[in-house]
Amino acid sequence: ILNVEQSPQSLHVQEGDSTNFTCSFPSSNFYALHWYRWETAKSPEALFVMTLNGDEKKKGRISATLNTKEGYSYLYIKGSQPEDSATYLCASDNSGTYKYIFGTGTRLKVLA
Amino acid sequence: GAVVSQHPSWVICKSGTSVKIECRSLDFQATTMFWYRQFPKQSLMLMATSNEGSKATYEQGVEKDKFLINHASLTLSTLTVTSAHPEDSSFYICSAMVTDEQYFGPGTRLTVT
Repeated sequence: ILNVEQSPQSLHVQEGDSTNFTCSFPSSNFYALHWYRWETAKSPEALFVMTLNGDEKKKGRISATLNTKEGYSYLYIKGSQPEDSATYLCASDNSGTYKYIFGTGTRLKVLA
Repeated sequence: GAVVSQHPSWVICKSGTSVKIECRSLDFQATTMFWYRQFPKQSLMLMATSNEGSKATYEQGVEKDKFLINHASLTLSTLTVTSAHPEDSSFYICSAMVTDEQYFGPGTRLTVT
């Protein structure tokens, strides 16, 4: 059974703080790692698709890194804003079948 | 671009009845759509892969006769929960694939009483 783990499960940060969370995934047969941002009552929004070991991607204040050898990815948010409050999901695609295995997500609350 | 809608957003039904959930790609065509289910405090779990014009493929442990999937066009896939029971109460969410990326709908909350 392939498991994707995310930590922490939830966290609260103050506006302006930087934060990061972790996604651990099976490193065998790795194909791609996806990060999504999911606000309540909305569709999950794709943030990053990461495929290569050592990849680092950035979108505004959000960035992500990938280590496929040890099976982890970090998501960083710099200078958190209240609008960053959401659940951040990661999903692993092992073997390129597009059958994503999701983690349970990290619920972020940014306090104004 | 790449907007996916689901209807209804929530539904309550009585035990033993059937419920149909629609998943539409609004501004693109998708030959492949996916259906996921999420129970409280758990992750999204893939139920089945829906391919336009062919039978859906179901993940292990998902009853194909209970969860009927029809992908009759390039913009619409439907999931019908037949003879629903309280244990089918869950959050159902679909995605449509385009250029190797999955775009998700907002989900449907099903409650079976």
